[in-house]
Parts: sequence; C-alpha cells; structure tokens
Amino acid sequence: RKEVEQDPGPFNVPEGATVAFNCTYSNSASQSFFWYRQDCRKEPKLLMSVYSSGNEDGRFTAQLNRASQYISLLIRDSKLSDSATYLCVVNLSYNTDKLIFGTGTRLQVFP
Amino acid sequence: GAVVSQHPSWVICKSGTSVKIECRSLDFQATTMFWYRQFPKQSLMLMATSNEGSKATYEQGVEKDKFLINHASLTLSTLTVTSAHPEDSSFYICSAPANARGFHNEQFFGPGTRLTVL
Repeated sequence: RKEVEQDPGPFNVPEGATVAFNCTYSNSASQSFFWYRQDCRKEPKLLMSVYSSGNEDGRFTAQLNRASQYISLLIRDSKLSDSATYLCVVNLSYNTDKLIFGTGTRLQVFP
Repeated sequence: GAVVSQHPSWVICKSGTSVKIECRSLDFQATTMFWYRQFPKQSLMLMATSNEGSKATYEQGVEKDKFLINHASLTLSTLTVTSAHPEDSSFYICSAPANARGFHNEQFFGPGTRLTVL
C-alpha cells in the first residue's frame, strides 16, 4: 500500500464549480499534512497546511480526519487558473522535515 | 518567502556522462536539503537527504554510488548523476526547509532540473 494515496483524476470541471479531492495516508504516526499545487513542468508550491480543526483560505478548505487517516481539499468557485495537479503531502514526524508526496490529483477547469 | 535556485534548469547529455546539479538557498541557510526525482505523470519521490558537513542519507532503492550528493556549505548542495543512462532521464527537484532546527518548517523547492539522457 502506498504511504499517501490520491485519486489521480483528471477532474474536469466548469468554471464556478465546487470540487473536492481526497487523500488517505497509511502511517498513523504522521504529524503534519499539507496540500501542494504543481503546475506542469514546475516545482510544487505550498497551497496550505492542514490542521486538525480544519482550515480555510479563501476559496480553499482543508479537512483532516486522523481517525480515518483521511485528508480533503475543497475548492469553491473554481477558476481557470486553478487548473493544476494537487499533491497531498505528509510529514511523518516533528523531528524531521522529510515529506511524503501523494501521486497528485489533476484538475482541469474549463470555461 | 525563501528562495531556492537550481542550476542548470535543463540538460541533455549522452549516455555514460556525468551530470552535476546544484541547489542553492539564496537568502537563508539550510543544514538539510532534500533531493527528489519525478518521472512523467508520477509523484515526487524522495531520493536522499543532504546534510551539511556529513554524509547524505539515501532512501531505500537509491544507489548512493550512482547519485553522489555533496553538501558543501550551508547554502549549497550538489547532486551528481554518474554515468547517466536514458532511464535516469527525469525531473530532479531539490528543497530546503526555511529554518532547519529539527522541527518541521515550510519547505521551499527549487525550480527543478530536467535531465534528458540520449
């Protein structure tokens, strides 16, 4: 089983739609969780950290369920510029900066 | 945010040659840097952790003699792909935590180096 699993997609949605991505992780000892965004042929960029209580940043909402080892990302009012691959990322320990990446979910927003 | 640069951004070489990739933290010091490899339509796979002043730590399945890592200073780590072959063609990305003090910090990624081995 992969350490971090995501549906690869692609998710094709119209502008203005709401779309949700899910992610599961296998190591129950994982401590920190993130969503990164990666554009084609570019490096990943941090979109947001994911906190236990859930957190929101504009149109983006992240949720964490430690009991189910499940992370989600909700994007409201999708924009064309949201088209990218969204990577679910897990850090196993507070004592290390090593990150484990999911395979990513591809989002394509169309006009 | 902190800036990490990589050089070169792309390289094409013949099979059997060695290629050196540099990763620099431009406005902060990094005692630890990470090297990743990404094949098309796949995720980033951590190859190794580069440690300033000591040996790199390699992930399982990564050949240390094939991928030489040198963390020469607090702002520079290099990855040398020795005797490159076509199967080594990939996107190589480095990252550095902005404040490597033993607890998790935001990581900043270099722009990546696209290696094509003919």
